[in-house]
Amino acid sequence: GDSVTQMEGPVTLSEEAFLTINCTYTATGYPSLFWYVQYPGEGLQLLLKATKADDKGSNKGFEATYRKETTSFHLEKGSVQVSDSAVYFCALSDRTNAGKSTFGDGTTLTVKP
Amino acid sequence: NAGVTQTPKFQVLKTGQSMTLQCAQDMNHEYMSWYRQDPGMGLRLIHYSVGAGITDQGEVPNGYNVSRSTTEDFPLRLLSAAPSQTSVYFCASRSGTGGPTDTQYFGPGTRLTVL
Repeated sequence: GDSVTQMEGPVTLSEEAFLTINCTYTATGYPSLFWYVQYPGEGLQLLLKATKADDKGSNKGFEATYRKETTSFHLEKGSVQVSDSAVYFCALSDRTNAGKSTFGDGTTLTVKP
Repeated sequence: NAGVTQTPKFQVLKTGQSMTLQCAQDMNHEYMSWYRQDPGMGLRLIHYSVGAGITDQGEVPNGYNVSRSTTEDFPLRLLSAAPSQTSVYFCASRSGTGGPTDTQYFGPGTRLTVL
């Protein structure tokens, strides 16, 4: 079945540092890929997504590129802020059944001033 | 437009009790799902629905029932609560069109404790 493997956390960075959170996937079909962010006590919010190979999703300074050859979708941000502290989830969605998504275990990011 | 709403926000049950977690969406989405979130385990799919009257099992369906009588509502029933069901439960919906705007929206969650 489908699976998503995320870089283990927690990750602690200083403000303005560069962020990379690795994500690789295994899928039988040709999935869409997503990054979600969860702030304390809240539900998940879509951060960005990509629906085909070489697509780059971007939002709020975060970027991720759909790499089919390496089955990866790494999340990057050039300069993190304290407000970026949250849990980040990589996920894929099976196009043949859009009701089903598979999530990674989440990576907790803490940004210190 | 309220998006995805869930009630209650918090619930404490005793082992063996039953209850229903409510989920509703006002976006006319066909696809709805229930997930549970446990520490260090990400989100695991319990049940999902691709339209009114159609439901299917996800990764961890045991101990839970669902039904989808309307497009808007997708309740999750715990038949006989067990401590292993202590978790945070999230409901989600998406249009299911598969296009660029087909985004999954999550509710705020229900934190359930089973004693």
